[in-house]
Amino acid sequence: GDSVTQMEGPVTLSEEAFLTINCTYTATGYPSLFWYVQYPGEGLQLLLKATKADDKGSNKGFEATYRKETTSFHLEKGSVQVSDSAVYFCALSGLYGNNRLAFGKGNQVVVIP
Amino acid sequence: GAVVSQHPSWVICKSGTSVKIECRSLDFQATTMFWYRQFPKQSLMLMATSNEGSKATYEQGVEKDKFLINHASLTLSTLTVTSAHPEDSSFYICSATLTGGGTDTQYFGPGTRLTVL
Repeated sequence: GDSVTQMEGPVTLSEEAFLTINCTYTATGYPSLFWYVQYPGEGLQLLLKATKADDKGSNKGFEATYRKETTSFHLEKGSVQVSDSAVYFCALSGLYGNNRLAFGKGNQVVVIP
Repeated sequence: GAVVSQHPSWVICKSGTSVKIECRSLDFQATTMFWYRQFPKQSLMLMATSNEGSKATYEQGVEKDKFLINHASLTLSTLTVTSAHPEDSSFYICSATLTGGGTDTQYFGPGTRLTVL
């Protein structure tokens, strides 16, 4: 079925390191793709989105490109900060009607000073 | 823009009582809102879709008589957990859909932490 898969396990890295979180999707149509970030004890915040193939979403130094050929939407940031420590969720919509979102399991990112 | 609020941010109640959680879109109108439940260190589980002026659509396995949803206006949806029990303790998050720019985007509230004693 239609779904989102994120790489397994938490991600721990040092400040100023390069961050990549992999996200792939399975879909029969052309969904919109999103990255959401959740800080401890808070709800989700939209980080970036892309609505069609080859679109690049970007925000706060994070980028992700909608790759239809590889069905991927990997999140990247060139130089992370301690404040980027959070849980990151990849999601897609547009598959089921009514704009329901399908979420990946999320990745905990811990940035060490 | 696109701010969604929830009230209360946390609540503690006794088993058997009912708790109401409000979700408001502060600067936009939302025909559709969603209610999610999140367990510790897990992803969000969609509970129901709330449509203004009509009955909510519940996901499989979610008891509609236990989780009452009312979407009375384009800026307010409420979730009432009736006869709450300890297993209902969770983090409840709502989202509201903003339509524009050729796509619909969900904006999330900050969540409500429910603890049932």
